Amino acid sequence: GAVVSQHPSWVICKSGTSVKIECRSLDFQATTMFWYRQFPKQSLMLMATSNEGSKATYEQGVEKDKFLINHASLTLSTLTVTSAHPEDSSFYICSATNPGLAGVNNEQFFGPGTRLTVL
Amino acid sequence: DAKTTQPPSMDCAEGRAANLPCNHSTISGNEYVYWYRQIHSQGPQYIIHGLKNNETNEMASLIITEDRKSSTLILPHATLRDTAVYYCIVHLPNAGGTSYGKLTFGQGTILTVHP
Repeated sequence: GAVVSQHPSWVICKSGTSVKIECRSLDFQATTMFWYRQFPKQSLMLMATSNEGSKATYEQGVEKDKFLINHASLTLSTLTVTSAHPEDSSFYICSATNPGLAGVNNEQFFGPGTRLTVL
Repeated sequence: DAKTTQPPSMDCAEGRAANLPCNHSTISGNEYVYWYRQIHSQGPQYIIHGLKNNETNEMASLIITEDRKSSTLILPHATLRDTAVYYCIVHLPNAGGTSYGKLTFGQGTILTVHP
């Protein structure tokens, strides 16, 4: 159990276009989802925290108008990279958790990631 | 969350035990030690966590020193598929408000298992 999927697994787009990435919890309800970004040979950097039915909380330095996050249901969160540029090329990873499922130990379940390449 | 220090890389022979150290000297009393790993081009995978007692599951063992300032992740019989970046994260699991659930990833240890 506790499987998280992402779609697409990879995407190539032209500079200036917008790209939407989906994160789904397949067999549990995720009250909280997290979006990370990972550049080559670097660690994961948290971008934002998404709670179902409320606005996302962005980390310092992450532009909320550029990275639109929607968590409209307990099983789906989306990240839209608006007006993408080559410097947005990265590996985007989501994770999901539910206190009732993970208990006090707050285990997070990660998706497989989406590789975005902006030409 | 407390900062952690890990060696940047380690090697291990297939079939042998891999012992990955982590220093977390500023850990507070109610923070847990979590270990995740990331195989190349995949999302991180949870391995194990603990507070102060040693823990074991089907993947690994976690040894936490008595003063809780360091820990060791043990993969008892490493295989080639265990080659990955291993992240040691100190985290307060039931933090409220905007800190809830946040995991801070350091640079981790690149474990290479060779034949």
